[in-house]
Amino acid sequence: KQEVTQIPAALSVPEGENLVLNCSFTDSAIYNLQWFRQDPGKGLTSLLLIQSSQREQTSGRLNASLDKSSGRSTLYIAASQPGDSATYLCAVGPTGANSKLTFGKGITLSVRP
Amino acid sequence: DARVTQTPRDKVTEMGQEVTMRCQPILGHNTVFWYRQTMMQGLELLAYFRNRAPLDDSGMPKDRFSAEMPDATLATLKIQPSEPRDSAVYFCARFGSSGYTFGSGTRLTVV
Repeated sequence: KQEVTQIPAALSVPEGENLVLNCSFTDSAIYNLQWFRQDPGKGLTSLLLIQSSQREQTSGRLNASLDKSSGRSTLYIAASQPGDSATYLCAVGPTGANSKLTFGKGITLSVRP
Repeated sequence: DARVTQTPRDKVTEMGQEVTMRCQPILGHNTVFWYRQTMMQGLELLAYFRNRAPLDDSGMPKDRFSAEMPDATLATLKIQPSEPRDSAVYFCARFGSSGYTFGSGTRLTVV
């Protein structure tokens, strides 16, 4: 059974800092990995999707990497801003398209002005 | 990809009442997922469909929960009878060309 772990559960950083959010998974036979953002009381917003054949994806100040062999993914946020404060969840999908995602519990990020 | 809309946004109901949550638009060829989110458990998969056929509903208490796709653009999740432990945020999601797209959720409170 796939297990996804995100540690720490919460993180507080000053504005402007570059930071890395970690995600680890137990079964490396994955189809894709997706990072989401969730604001309090809101739904999930997709940030980056990495297919199993890819090593990384970039969007603006965000960069996500995937290392299947070690069962790890990182989300790098450059020059953090207070607006980045949210919960960040990673989710992995097993082999085969359209398969169900297994989510981590998320990392709640607070960026202090 | 088109947005996924869920209704109602919030629902407060008394224990024992029937609750129906809706999710649209869902394109007929996509895979549709229902997730439940609580503080304690995080996001849990309840059920998912492909081409309107259920693929896995092992995460659902089948004696009270039912998930269907009445037509190609609508998915529903029904709870009958509802219980206080069903209080959670329920999300539907679709898998498409840009990965998984989630609806904004239905916050259910059963008192």
